[in-house]
Amino acid sequence: DAGVIQSPRHEVTEMGQEVTLRCKPISGHDYLFWYRQTMMRGLELLIYFNNNVPIDDSGMPEDRFSAKMPNASFSTLKIQPSEPRDSAVYFCASSVTGGGANYEQYFGPGTRLTVT
Amino acid sequence: AQSVTQLDSQVPVFEEAPVELRCNYSSSVSVYLFWYVQYPNQGLQLLLKYLSGSTLVKGINGFEAEFNKSQTSFHLRKPSVHISDTAEYFCAVSPGGGADGLTFGKGTHLIIQP
Repeated sequence: DAGVIQSPRHEVTEMGQEVTLRCKPISGHDYLFWYRQTMMRGLELLIYFNNNVPIDDSGMPEDRFSAKMPNASFSTLKIQPSEPRDSAVYFCASSVTGGGANYEQYFGPGTRLTVT
Repeated sequence: AQSVTQLDSQVPVFEEAPVELRCNYSSSVSVYLFWYVQYPNQGLQLLLKYLSGSTLVKGINGFEAEFNKSQTSFHLRKPSVHISDTAEYFCAVSPGGGADGLTFGKGTHLIIQP
């Protein structure tokens, strides 16, 4: 399997612009997670989905952030409008539960977002 | 709610020496425990996990960790480190394992000196 795929790998945008980050989970995985990594706050959970349904979005910092999972193989994290303090590395991870599950979350390579 | 404390932000060690990276957690419920490694400009990779059973857990790359319930600790060890072990190490907990979000510590930067 190709692993978790994220695009773009790097994004530079100006304050006020809309940013869309994309994630393709591992095929067959039923959970998808979005995390953000910053120097100040470390790694923090933003939102996660089970079978394409959002389960917990309490980590989403503001209404400027939104996430969707229209099908089992695709998710987006959107920031509108973007601000300099949104600069971070955003990770997507997926996992599988049920029979044969090993409780591991598999992480993508991340998207490094810079907002100027 | 859960929290994870990694007591050392940076640990310098000479090559072939042993190392221990410390992790303590707090939680009002039972949790699963994980150690992840992050190499520069890469995503996170699972080193090992504790779900239940034996408190000594062996992982990849020669790492192991011991779960101590009374001390709420899950320290990571390696008997002999290599230059390639230079990376950021994260301890994490989750009530539901793969079915729940992870709460991470701030990370420990392991620096291997030749």
